[in-house]
Amino acid sequence: AAGVIQSPRHLIKEKRETATLKCYPIPRHDTVYWYQQGPGQDPQFLISFYEKMQSDKGSIPDRFSAQQFSDYHSELNMSSLELGDSALYFCASSSLDRRVSTDTQYFGPGTRLTVL
Amino acid sequence: SQQGEEDPQALSIQEGENATMNCSYKTSINNLQWYRQNSGRGLVHLILIRSNEREKHSGRLRVTLDTSKKSSSLLITASRAADTASYFCAVGGRYGNKLVFGAGTILRVKS
Repeated sequence: AAGVIQSPRHLIKEKRETATLKCYPIPRHDTVYWYQQGPGQDPQFLISFYEKMQSDKGSIPDRFSAQQFSDYHSELNMSSLELGDSALYFCASSSLDRRVSTDTQYFGPGTRLTVL
Repeated sequence: SQQGEEDPQALSIQEGENATMNCSYKTSINNLQWYRQNSGRGLVHLILIRSNEREKHSGRLRVTLDTSKKSSSLLITASRAADTASYFCAVGGRYGNKLVFGAGTILRVKS
């Protein structure tokens, strides 16, 4: 079965540079979520999109922005990178099970960002 | 962690034994989901239990949910070395909203 695709898988940047992470959801999934996981920590929610509109927002720094495109893929743009931005960045996708009004979030393999 | 504690933080057992992990949360929920993560890799979805359900099974996995105590447990029966991983619970609100993760339990199954 098709899974969530994230690119790149690894990214090394210098401080103050910019980075763009891409996420391709599972086909027919209409919602995309972004999470950040620091070393030894649990994943922290950043932002989500449903049908190209922002649906929820977490502790996403102002230096970060994201959007969902017409083909449902999403991009997370990160500017003025700091050492503390080094983390695993996960994208997840879901579609609503209308029978029970819940959704299972399926995670991609993650992008490991290292800021030097 | 934003939402509560997972207990224990680490668990080491022999192959064939059962492993039980507990999760507590603070807010009202729509659902609770369990994920497995192998050493810095992706999160694999294991099971989702809705707030109006009390128990759910999937293969060797059994999940319980007690909304009055705001707690859940994950039981893995007849554990295998391949079950060695970190296990996270995550509580979900309505559709399109975030998952809030617990701190995770590191499970080590010795062969």
